[in-house]
Amino acid sequence: NAGVTQTPKFQVLKTGQSMTLQCAQDMNHNSMYWYRQDPGMGLRLIYYSASEGTTDKGEVPNGYNVSRLNKREFSLRLESAAPSQTSVYFCASRYTPGQGERNTQYFGPGTRLTVL
Amino acid sequence: GQQLNQSPQSMFIQEGEDVSMNCTSSSIFNTWLWYKQDPGEGPVLLIALYKAGELTSNGRLTAQFGITRKDSFLNISASIPSDVGIYFCAGRNEKLTFGTGTRLTIIP
Repeated sequence: NAGVTQTPKFQVLKTGQSMTLQCAQDMNHNSMYWYRQDPGMGLRLIYYSASEGTTDKGEVPNGYNVSRLNKREFSLRLESAAPSQTSVYFCASRYTPGQGERNTQYFGPGTRLTVL
Repeated sequence: GQQLNQSPQSMFIQEGEDVSMNCTSSSIFNTWLWYKQDPGEGPVLLIALYKAGELTSNGRLTAQFGITRKDSFLNISASIPSDVGIYFCAGRNEKLTFGTGTRLTIIP
């Protein structure tokens, strides 16, 4: 099992450029998440997908869109990047809620994005 | 959005010392989780707590789910160099809410 994988690891964009961050998991998890992490702060939820075919906004969704392409893949898109979106982005996945001990989130290694 | 109050923000300790950190919230959570993050990596789950009052150990780590369901603590005994990193608490109802992290540094 590779767990949760993310690409790319690093990216530099100019203001106004667009890009898509990719995430995939091979653990057959139903739920997937995108977070951003900024210095001195914990992770903040951008969007999540409770199951294939559904997506919902999290705490900080503005400037982002997501696609749950299939059960394995959940992508995050920046249509017009802004310097305020400079951050480290983490994807996570977990089993369906209510399955007791397996009800925990597993994180990918992160994508470090800089917007100039 | 809500964030948990995690303290201390940073700790500087010597190898072999015990460590204690905690999280408090104004809201009740159904689950408390503790993660560790190494530089350049994603958070890795250390301990998950599912019931108020639960005390759970994972090697040298011990965590407790507060009786009020509004707090949790993590203890690390006899710290070693690989304990260095940032520790995050997280509370969950429908979604996870993260603390701001405790950065642990071991000084020679």
